[in-house]
Amino acid sequence: SYELTQPPSVSVSPGQTARITCSGDALPGKYVYWYQQKSGQGPVLVIYDDTKRPSEIPGRFSGSGSGTMATLTVSGAQVEDEADYYCYSTDSSENPLFGGGTKLTVL
Amino acid sequence: QVHLVQSGAEVKKPGASVKVSCKASGYSFSSYPIHWVRQAPGQRLEWMGWINVGNGNRKYSQKFQDRVTITTDTSASTAYMELSSLRSEDTAIYYCARGLTTVTVSEYYFYMDVWGRGTTVTVSS
Repeated sequence: SYELTQPPSVSVSPGQTARITCSGDALPGKYVYWYQQKSGQGPVLVIYDDTKRPSEIPGRFSGSGSGTMATLTVSGAQVEDEADYYCYSTDSSENPLFGGGTKLTVL
Repeated sequence: QVHLVQSGAEVKKPGASVKVSCKASGYSFSSYPIHWVRQAPGQRLEWMGWINVGNGNRKYSQKFQDRVTITTDTSASTAYMELSSLRSEDTAIYYCARGLTTVTVSEYYFYMDVWGRGTTVTVSS
């Protein structure tokens, strides 16, 4: 079955740029969404429609995509950005699905 | 401010059913769909289904189609997710989330913006 693939973990020092990727054969031409989930909390939408950012999300979060891969970039990552990040899109039948999640460590 | 408040944790025996509620506030409940997503321990988020609160239309994931029912009580601004024939693999945190839609020339994209804090359902004999 179709899946979205993410690296299990990404680690950066505070102030560095973190890049989290999401790959899938059906991604070309599809919008990707990104969610942040901190321990014990529900997910928070950080990027929608590939590149758009909700007004309450800091400007250091950005999204991009090319071909079969989408990328969430956290420029100048802060300690408070430590969380699990999930990409989200749809398969060829417009069924929603999530990536496996990436644990971002900032230390 | 938009809030989704979910019901408390549940412990169920295999074969039983569970019904989780999700009370919305801070927006017009009938104007947005509600999605249900679950997360089993150590697993990825898994979409279960959604309901168009305005017209009652529903779509379920094929995986859960035979066992899940999503309903709403618009007078109480509350959505419900009932899962039947529970098994140990259904032990998970169940989330409700408000839905948004992006419409392009060729597709509809259904996604979620605000989420509840989750309801833990434990299935154990």
